[in-house]
Amino acid sequence: DAGVTQSPTHLIKTRGQQVTLRCSPKSGHDTVSWYQQALGQGPQFIFQYYEEEERQRGNFPDRFSGHQFPNYSSELNVNALLLGDSALYLCASSKDRGSNTEAFFGQGTRLTVV
Amino acid sequence: AQSVTQLDSHVSVSEGTPVLLRCNYSSSYSPSLFWYVQHPNKGLQLLLKYTSAATLVKGINGFEAEFKKSETSFHLTKPSAHMSDAAEYFCVVTVLRYGGTSYGKLTFGQGTILTVHP
Repeated sequence: DAGVTQSPTHLIKTRGQQVTLRCSPKSGHDTVSWYQQALGQGPQFIFQYYEEEERQRGNFPDRFSGHQFPNYSSELNVNALLLGDSALYLCASSKDRGSNTEAFFGQGTRLTVV
Repeated sequence: AQSVTQLDSHVSVSEGTPVLLRCNYSSSYSPSLFWYVQHPNKGLQLLLKYTSAATLVKGINGFEAEFKKSETSFHLTKPSAHMSDAAEYFCVVTVLRYGGTSYGKLTFGQGTILTVHP
């Protein structure tokens, strides 16, 4: 079982650019959530996707958008990058139904905006 | 609304001594609570979870936590620290979504960095 995989592992972008981060959920999982973890902080919830729809959203601007594909994988897109978007972006997958619905996390994508 | 407060940003212990990481939570509904651990350059790993069953929860690597509703606390303990326990620990609160089979957003505390001295 490959677990949750994210790509790329590291990324450097310039202010104003756009970035796409990718996530493949753990086998058998159908729900994907994204989190932003700034240096020295706990992860902050961005949004959750289920059945290819955004089901819940945190306090992030519209520059942050996402997508879920029929195979349950997901993308996080960030437009008009700001220096403050530099962070570790974590993807978490879970099952919508069943007793073991805790979230499993990927290793993250470290985004640096310069 | 839900929130988590981890009362210590850093905890330092000697190997073989007990560990106590403190967490208080707030939730408008019956909460589910978790402790995750994050080793440097690694993802988050679930240590244990409380989901309204037994209030004393046992997790991996000898960790356990006790849910105390009257104190709104969920402190993490371990009888004897090991060098490999050095990491950052996050207390997390969430609630089951309508229908009661899956979780919505996880709300994390600010984290507690555990240092273990030889």
